[in-house]
Amino acid sequence: NAGVMQNPRHLVRRRGQEARLRCSPMKGHSHVYWYRQLPEEGLKFMVYLQKENIIDESGMPKERFSAEFPKEGPSILRIQQVVRGDSAAYFCASSPPQGAFEQYFGPGTRLTVT
Amino acid sequence: AQKITQTQPGMFVQEKEAVTLDCTYDTSDPSYGLFWYKQPSSGEMIFLIYQGSYDQQNATEGRYSLNFQKARKSANLVISASQLGDSAMYFCAMREPSTGNQFYFGTGTSLTVIP
Repeated sequence: NAGVMQNPRHLVRRRGQEARLRCSPMKGHSHVYWYRQLPEEGLKFMVYLQKENIIDESGMPKERFSAEFPKEGPSILRIQQVVRGDSAAYFCASSPPQGAFEQYFGPGTRLTVT
Repeated sequence: AQKITQTQPGMFVQEKEAVTLDCTYDTSDPSYGLFWYKQPSSGEMIFLIYQGSYDQQNATEGRYSLNFQKARKSANLVISASQLGDSAMYFCAMREPSTGNQFYFGTGTSLTVIP
């Protein structure tokens, strides 16, 4: 049973470009969470999604960031017009249907903005 | 107020000794979960141990145990018989259903095991 998959593992973008980060949850998991880890800090919640629904996006910056979890395919975190401050590790976690406490983390995508 | 507080930015422990990493939390939700994760230099988040708020006994997983003191709102991680491979960042986290089950993470403790 494969774990949470994230790709790419490393992504380099120039300022002003777009970054697309992908997350495939564990089999049978319908809930996806995105977290951001800035250098020397803990993970900060960004957004919580179920298939075709954004449940909680209270941690998402208001501009340039968006997330989706379509009926088919991986969840996508999209950052438009990246800036140096977006450089961070972005982690995806998935969990089973509602009621389960556990979340399983992917290996993360390290975004570097040059 | 911080949901999770880890007051030890860095800790050192001699190989084979035990070490305690501190974590306090803040919630008014009667139902919550407490977690510890290890993040080695490679960057992945490795789940170590979980404690539910209604669990009567402290959680244990191999060399890891969680010293759960509910009245004090603390959930310290104890690593026994430290190994060189235990050198990593350690994050305490909490999850509470009333806020959509997102994780709240502390700022982490960097543990270095000395040979």
